[in-house]
Amino acid sequence: GAGVSQSPSNKVTEKGKDVELRCDPISGHTALYWYRQSLGQGLEFLIYFQGNSAPDKSGLPSDRFSAERTGGSVSTLTIQRTQQEDSAVYLCASSSRLYSNQPQHFGDGTRLSIL
Amino acid sequence: DQQVKQNSPSLSVQEGRISILNCDYTNSMFDYFLWYKKYPAEGPTFLISISSIKDKNEDGRFTVFLNKSAKHLSLHIVPSQPGDSAVYFCAAIIQGAQKLVFGQGTRLTINP
Repeated sequence: GAGVSQSPSNKVTEKGKDVELRCDPISGHTALYWYRQSLGQGLEFLIYFQGNSAPDKSGLPSDRFSAERTGGSVSTLTIQRTQQEDSAVYLCASSSRLYSNQPQHFGDGTRLSIL
Repeated sequence: DQQVKQNSPSLSVQEGRISILNCDYTNSMFDYFLWYKKYPAEGPTFLISISSIKDKNEDGRFTVFLNKSAKHLSLHIVPSQPGDSAVYFCAAIIQGAQKLVFGQGTRLTINP
């Protein structure tokens, strides 16, 4: 497709389980970003990638969160031992390159619910 | 510390009139600002942006104004249409830092 694709669109899991969220950026976009939106809040930055490297992981809330990107394309955000406060919409965005005024284009997100 | 603030959680405007959404920021290092529009169950969609070297940018019905001395920007939509009903997020970035800093959003409702 032409846009950023995220899967699954919804995920419900029990507290303590691990989850993997996937992002497929726009073809050719070298920069990829993860954000999350908790209920009633704005979007909160988690991590970004330039190619396969992650220069800024400052937004990851704990060491239970990790992300990787392979082949300069698909990215996976993994949350280990999920907690109820992890419930949120996780959004992925991509842009054509860093250090430019290119806007970030978002996918529709994964709605994660921790029971 | 909320660096980007949208103090109005909601706004209701009559169709055909002007909608004005406001955003304040505290970090004087921000040098690029964006507005995104979000429908339920969809990701934010880029609407319009402005560089800190400008004070106005216009694109069709949408105009963004930047007042650097007041650390304030606004989005004007005129005339407002029913399809404009959505949540609008203001975002700011320090070029080179890459991460967007978002406000909490304003829910705009356009009434027929």
